[in-house]
Amino acid sequence: GAGVSQSPSNKVTEKGKDVELRCDPISGHTALYWYRQRLGQGLEFLIYFQGNSAPDKSGLPSDRFSAERTGESVSTLTIQRTQQEDSAVYLCASSLEWALANYGYTFGSGTRLTVV
Amino acid sequence: QQQVKQSPQSLIVQKGGISIINCAYENTAFDYFPWYQQFPGKGPALLIAIRPDVSEKKEGRFTISFNKSAKQFSLHIMDSQPGDSATYFCAGGDDKIIFGKGTRLHILP
Repeated sequence: GAGVSQSPSNKVTEKGKDVELRCDPISGHTALYWYRQRLGQGLEFLIYFQGNSAPDKSGLPSDRFSAERTGESVSTLTIQRTQQEDSAVYLCASSLEWALANYGYTFGSGTRLTVV
Repeated sequence: QQQVKQSPQSLIVQKGGISIINCAYENTAFDYFPWYQQFPGKGPALLIAIRPDVSEKKEGRFTISFNKSAKQFSLHIMDSQPGDSATYFCAGGDDKIIFGKGTRLHILP
């Protein structure tokens, strides 16, 4: 597609429920990133996929968070047993690995997650 | 996570003035320093970026100044316009990017 697509755009869930957030990167982009943005805060790195390499999971805040990516396409971020502190906008970005230094990331518009 | 520290948190500038946002980084392995602009309800968009072997980069009204020895860099917006009102994030990284906490810029008409 023309840009990074995220779904749903908004999600309200009850505390303790599991949620899945989806990201469709730009076609051909080998690198995919997930970030979390709490209200009025900066972007917090969560996880990074690059091709067939093992993902960099160093930013995941707890074992309730996990992510998968099938090849160089869609990625799903799963949050189990959601807590109120998980409320945030979850942003996905993709890039061509070789072009990161010249073109940076392209971000989606994010999924706004509200845990009630 | 390696930190990128950004200041000020918020900034108000008169139309036509110069907006200046400063950042400092810790990780000397970083080889890429972008600035992103974010409007409410949207994802961040790349504004301008610099590599550490360059001390300054200018694109239109936007200039990055980079001081490798001090591990600091800044964004200057010349002739600031109301349409520049947004949140600006500095960042640094190599294979992944670490972001500052952002500066909310408001340009008075």
